[in-house]
Amino acid sequence: EIVMTQSPATLSVSPGDRVTLSCRASQSTSSNLAWYQQKPGQAPRLLVYGASARATGIPARFSGSGSGTEFTLTISSLQSEDFAVYYCQQYNNWPLTFGGGTKVEIK
Amino acid sequence: EVHLLESGGGLVQTGTSLRLSCAASGFSFTNYAMTWVRQAPGKGLEWVSAISGSGGGTNYAEAVTGRFTISRDNSKNTLYLQMNSLRAEDTAVYYCAKGAPSSYYMDVWGKGTTVTVSS
Repeated sequence: EIVMTQSPATLSVSPGDRVTLSCRASQSTSSNLAWYQQKPGQAPRLLVYGASARATGIPARFSGSGSGTEFTLTISSLQSEDFAVYYCQQYNNWPLTFGGGTKVEIK
Repeated sequence: EVHLLESGGGLVQTGTSLRLSCAASGFSFTNYAMTWVRQAPGKGLEWVSAISGSGGGTNYAEAVTGRFTISRDNSKNTLYLQMNSLRAEDTAVYYCAKGAPSSYYMDVWGKGTTVTVSS
């Protein structure tokens, strides 16, 4: 099983800040990596797939990068609606696995 | 518009069974893999099971293998999760999610249905 490790667990930031979230895989997932956003009481929403492709309707301030075992989600200028929990997920191998999540909270 | 609506959750006792359903609309259901993902209270996301568009291929997380069965009825645009021998640790919100074209990331999610397993 590929273990996905996200860091940090919690990030305290201010609106307008540039935010970088990390996701590390225990073995290579090629570029088969997705990022999701989840707000309290809501279902997750796909942000990025293929490590760097933005999903339909996702603002350009969200960008993904990386390949192999190291991945990053960057929010260029954090908006109030971006405070949420972010998860990475690998889909290169069975079983599919998620990271533990990074909570982005208001400083 | 793509829409997924889960149903069938509830409060059940340890050792019993439950079947979840997910009604899909707005896309050609038979052409896409489907997935169940769960989230225990206050915890992160956990993949449970996936099924190919034809229904001929299935995969399960180790935690549910032998107890849960995923299936689909493409004539009814409906996905199912049969859950047997339920345990307290199966307590979670269960989300149905549509697989992306020829891939297993999830591009559309339902709102979820809550399963509570009590002893």
